[in-house]
Amino acid sequence: QKEVEQDPGPLSVPEGAIVSLNCTYSNSAFQYFMWYRQYSRKGPELLMYTYSSGNKEDGRFTAQVDKSSKYISLFIRDSQPSDSATYLCAMGTGNQFYFGTGTSLTVIP
Amino acid sequence: GAGVSQSPRYKVTKRGQDVALRCDPISGHVSLYWYRQALGQGPEFLTYFNYEAQQDKSGLPNDRFSAERPEGSISTLTIQRTEQRDSAMYRCASSRGQGGTGELFFGEGSRLTVL
Repeated sequence: QKEVEQDPGPLSVPEGAIVSLNCTYSNSAFQYFMWYRQYSRKGPELLMYTYSSGNKEDGRFTAQVDKSSKYISLFIRDSQPSDSATYLCAMGTGNQFYFGTGTSLTVIP
Repeated sequence: GAGVSQSPRYKVTKRGQDVALRCDPISGHVSLYWYRQALGQGPEFLTYFNYEAQQDKSGLPNDRFSAERPEGSISTLTIQRTEQRDSAMYRCASSRGQGGTGELFFGEGSRLTVL
């Protein structure tokens, strides 16, 4: 079983839609939860970072962590064409960080 | 520097040759990570350093892979006797603090192709 499971998509939505991206994990020791955005032919860039459980909001982006269910989510409100990218969840204990396979998102104008 | 710098950006080599990939982290960043990313996959952990000390090398696939960071700044990932299965994007990332919080800043990567 993989440490982190993420639906690879692809996901295609119209501009302005709410996007929901999710990951599940198996290791209950994970404390750090991140979402990275990766544009084509670029390195991943940190989008959201959460320590332990709870919600975090930054502009149009909201990250949620439910440790009891071992489930994390990223919501994108009012999606824009510039949000088109691959979104990677990542998590770990502070020594190693495990990444999901990434979900490819296209926002259609 | 302004960001994490990796070189070479592209490397094509023949099977059996050794290759060295270089990473120059963001100035002042304590932790440095090496990841390997296959097409359509997320980054896979290889190894990481705090300053010059290699803290965890459990992700290195076999003993042909090694990494060093002798002065706590620039790091080199070396692959000896390359094989075709080593072909991938190799990514370096750095982080401000030691211990790791996941706030990793990635470089553009070095794409290795082994013929």
